Amino acid sequence: AQSVAQPEDQVNVAEGNPLTVKCTYSVSGNPYLFWYVQYPNRGLQFLLKYITGDNLVKGSYGFEAEFNKSQTSFHLKKPSALVSDSALYFCAVRDEGGGNKLTFGTGTQLKVEL
Amino acid sequence: KAGVTQTPRYLIKTRGQQVTLSCSPISGHRSVSWYQQTPGQGLQFLFEYFSETQRNKGNFPGRFSGRQFSNSRSEMNVSTLELGDSALYLCASRGTGTGINEQFFGPGTRLTVL
Repeated sequence: AQSVAQPEDQVNVAEGNPLTVKCTYSVSGNPYLFWYVQYPNRGLQFLLKYITGDNLVKGSYGFEAEFNKSQTSFHLKKPSALVSDSALYFCAVRDEGGGNKLTFGTGTQLKVEL
Repeated sequence: KAGVTQTPRYLIKTRGQQVTLSCSPISGHRSVSWYQQTPGQGLQFLFEYFSETQRNKGNFPGRFSGRQFSNSRSEMNVSTLELGDSALYLCASRGTGTGINEQFFGPGTRLTVL
């Protein structure tokens, strides 16, 4: 069965500095990977996805993610963090059996400080 | 386009009662999925409906059920509520174009079981 791991419960970064939120995945076939963000008392907002093609995927709000097949990683990045980026970030992989089932990582709390 | 809407946003029930949650997908979306989010278990897939048919089901007891109507609106029902059912229940809808499309999430229904 597919899975994703987010090894960091929390990431702290200063505003203006680059940020990275880590994600590794395990699938037997082609990975379909997603990043979502959740603000307090809100649902999940889609940031970006990797289906195929370029290893660097650009998404919403200046976020991008780097797909690395050899390291089975899909890390979320942003060149310059904002305080407003502080939120809970989830990496997810789509079920290999088709359909729309997503398997989520445990989430990483990003805290951007002034 | 209006986003995914969920009603009610908050619910308080007591053990043994049952509850019905409602989800209206984005207009034109025919796929609806439900997820449970808890601090301990994270985000877990409940089930997915497409064109009024359950297409996939997660590892939840039979107390959890759902359905989808001809207008793609979906409901989920939890019977004989337990304290552990306290969670944020998220609904997501997805379009059915070509390719792997992302899911769009509603704000969730916060269920508290006392």
